[in-house]
Amino acid sequence: GNSVTQMEGPVTLSEEAFLTINCTYTATGYPSLFWYVQYPGEGLQLLLKATKADDKGSNKGFEATYRKETTSFHLEKGSVQVSDSAVYFCALSPVSGGYNKLIFGAGTRLAVHP
Amino acid sequence: GAGVSQSPRYKVAKRGQDVALRCDPISGHVSLFWYQQALGQGPEFLTYFQNEAQLDKSGLPSDRFFAERPEGSVSTLKIQRTQQEDSAVYLCASSSPGLAGIHNEQFFGPGTRLTVL
Repeated sequence: GNSVTQMEGPVTLSEEAFLTINCTYTATGYPSLFWYVQYPGEGLQLLLKATKADDKGSNKGFEATYRKETTSFHLEKGSVQVSDSAVYFCALSPVSGGYNKLIFGAGTRLAVHP
Repeated sequence: GAGVSQSPRYKVAKRGQDVALRCDPISGHVSLFWYQQALGQGPEFLTYFQNEAQLDKSGLPSDRFFAERPEGSVSTLKIQRTQQEDSAVYLCASSSPGLAGIHNEQFFGPGTRLTVL
């Protein structure tokens, strides 16, 4: 079946540090891949997405590359800020039925300190 | 409206009570999804509507859960005879229809936090 595994948190970093949050997936066919972010007290927001192999999604300094050979979609940012503190969810959407239900990982909490 | 809205934001129910959770999607969005998010976990898919048609209810955990979208806009998730394990945040998301194989962004509401005592 379809599933997403992401690294457990919390991840604690100092401001301006490099961030990597690992995400691997299991799916049939060619799913689309997403990173969603949940800031404290707010709803889930799409951060970035990639719809085919080797695509790179990017937004707000975050990047992730769709790697089919390693079934991975790791999230990276070169220099984190305190305002990046949030919970990050990796998700996939299988290509089936013409609609795009999302399958999420468990989430990784990021805490950035000044 | 500007985004997806849900009400109530918080609901406390006694075990055995029935509850109804409302979702107002973004105007014009054909697709509507419900997810359940347990504490410390990622959201899990419950059900999907395309307009008023419920095309996928494979994620509903039991026959105590029922969802409807009678006019293809507002949706209600109803839980009958609530149990403690139903305590979670219930998220609604909507999206506009895309071309086949293209996955459009889902816009999420703030969720309803249900606590069953």
